Amino acid sequence: DQQVKQNSPSLSVQEGRISILNCDYTNSMFDYFLWYKKYPAEGPTFLISISSIKDKNEDGRFTVFLNKSAKHLSLHIVPSQPGDSAVYFCAASAVNTGTASKLTFGTGTRLQVTL
Amino acid sequence: DGGITQSPKYLFRKEGQNVTLSCEQNLNHDAMYWYRQDPGQGLRLIYYSQIVNDFQKGDIAEGYSVSREKKESFPLTVTSAQKNPTAFYLCASREPPGEQYFGPGTRLTVT
Repeated sequence: DQQVKQNSPSLSVQEGRISILNCDYTNSMFDYFLWYKKYPAEGPTFLISISSIKDKNEDGRFTVFLNKSAKHLSLHIVPSQPGDSAVYFCAASAVNTGTASKLTFGTGTRLQVTL
Repeated sequence: DGGITQSPKYLFRKEGQNVTLSCEQNLNHDAMYWYRQDPGQGLRLIYYSQIVNDFQKGDIAEGYSVSREKKESFPLTVTSAQKNPTAFYLCASREPPGEQYFGPGTRLTVT
């Protein structure tokens, strides 16, 4: 049972344009969400997070939007740069259920930023 | 510098042998995790530990074992019972509810 889903395995965007990566979740107990970026043969690096008390969090070129009613979040990258080409993972945790330290990851979306 | 180290980067073993992957962190985090990543798949949780001397099975614990005798160390043993051990293994640590920090990973190949 995949509780965190990234339905687009890949995405190609031109340099300078907006990249939008999507993530859906099914567990209504999730209340903290994170995005990670991963290059091949390396560990993922943290990008940005959002708590369920917010619907938007921004950090430089990266913005995460959360729609709790739809159980959907998205990561916007503006403007996209070639160095953004990587696999992006969405992750979620349920802070208030005693399983605070366990993250559930999606399957990832491979972003390719073209020149 | 604070961080997570995993060694070695590449590991080769013969089928039927147990192998232990090292993970050390100096971030003073209580929680540590092991994941595996296979081509086309996300990160699947093998084991996690929220505190020293305590650990829980993740989603795919069969064929693996762990120990947490020290706060900074969380070694993973891939036993001969693991049917498909060849994978990229990632260790992480976290101070809840913040983000997880990942190590550089170990690629294990079993032939």
